[in-house]
Amino acid sequence: EDKVVQSPLSLVVHEGDTVTLNCSYEVTNFRSLLWYKQEKKAPTFLFMLTSSGIEKKSGRLSSILDKKELFSILNITATQTGDSAIYLCAVVLTTGNQFYFGTGTSLTVIP
Amino acid sequence: DAGITQSPRHKVTETGTPVTLRCHQTENHRYMYWYRQDPGHGLRLIHYSYGVKDTDKGEVSDGYSVSRSKTEDFLLTLESATSSQTSVYFCAAQGDGGDEQFFGPGTRLTVL
Repeated sequence: EDKVVQSPLSLVVHEGDTVTLNCSYEVTNFRSLLWYKQEKKAPTFLFMLTSSGIEKKSGRLSSILDKKELFSILNITATQTGDSAIYLCAVVLTTGNQFYFGTGTSLTVIP
Repeated sequence: DAGITQSPRHKVTETGTPVTLRCHQTENHRYMYWYRQDPGHGLRLIHYSYGVKDTDKGEVSDGYSVSRSKTEDFLLTLESATSSQTSVYFCAAQGDGGDEQFFGPGTRLTVL
């Protein structure tokens, strides 16, 4: 059975801290891995990863994929209260264009 | 957000009644999806569509049906709502150019 596991489930940090969120997967027919940020509304797209070892970066956020060990990490440096959200990881399969989401990591950044 | 709207945004209904949720997109995306989001489960795929009149089941399709008669509209129907279908429902759309999905604002459904 295909599955996507995120850790930790929740995290509380202080402003300025650096955090690392994890996403591991066990799927057949992997095509890509996506990261989303969800505040009190719909998820918004952050990154799409298809190749191992190539870092994607956007401001204070970065992400990388390891297709050998089947995981990805999302790093957030110098966290701000606006980073407080649920971060979702999704894996896309080549078969049927299906998306499998993890349960998410809830990040709270305290001033 | 790729011009995705959902209606209604909130609905309260009673067990056993039929419910239809509508998703509308303006970007002519080929793929459309219905998810439900529940605490501890993340987003789970209910049904998806890869074109007009082409749909397939996701991992939690029991009790739900869908229809797509036009590219821009994807309907989710609960034939006879149950309390276990109380959830937040998200619609998403995706084009042919990549795997990025764009999400609608969600519908909060409560089945009493």
